[in-house]
Amino acid sequence: NAGVTQTPKFQVLKTGQSMTLQCAQDMNHNSMYWYRQDPGMGLRLIYYSASEGTTDKGEVPNGYNVSRLNKREFSLRLESAAPSQTSVYFCASSELETGFAYEQYFGPGTRLTVT
Amino acid sequence: GQQVMQIPQYQHVQEGEDFTTYCNSSTTLSNIQWYKQRPGGHPVFLIQLVKSGEVKKQKRLTFQFGEAKKNSSLHITATQTTDVGTYFCAGASGGGADGLTFGKGTHLIIQP
Repeated sequence: NAGVTQTPKFQVLKTGQSMTLQCAQDMNHNSMYWYRQDPGMGLRLIYYSASEGTTDKGEVPNGYNVSRLNKREFSLRLESAAPSQTSVYFCASSELETGFAYEQYFGPGTRLTVT
Repeated sequence: GQQVMQIPQYQHVQEGEDFTTYCNSSTTLSNIQWYKQRPGGHPVFLIQLVKSGEVKKQKRLTFQFGEAKKNSSLHITATQTTDVGTYFCAGASGGGADGLTFGKGTHLIIQP
């Protein structure tokens, strides 16, 4: 099992460019998440998908869109990148049960720089 | 919304000293999880606590969940260089599908 995979590992964008970060999991998990990690800020939830076909905003959704393509894949799109979006982006997945949060499995991350 | 505060932000210790990080939630939690992130790596799940007053041990690591289920701690005995990294607590309120609220983490720096 590969677990959670993310592509690309590194990316440099110019302000205004767009890109899509890809994430896939092979653990048959229902829930998937996108986080960003900035120094001193911990992990902040951007968007999540509780199940195939549903997506919801997290704490910091502005400037991002997501697509839950199927149960395995959850992509994050930056339509017009800004320097404030320079960060490390992590995708995670977990099982989901009403009223209980299971452990999350994280991908290796994408290190994005916007100049 | 739910907030999870974690202190200290940084902790410098000499190798062999003990280390503790504390986590406090603004709301009662259904469960709390702890993760470790090595420098340059991704968060990796360590343990989950569910019951009020629960204590769990993993070798030199001791995890506690408060009686009111609003606070937790991680204690490492006799730190080793392999313990270097950032330790995050993550709380779940049990209500929503958005899963966990992460604390900002404690960076453990070990001086040999």
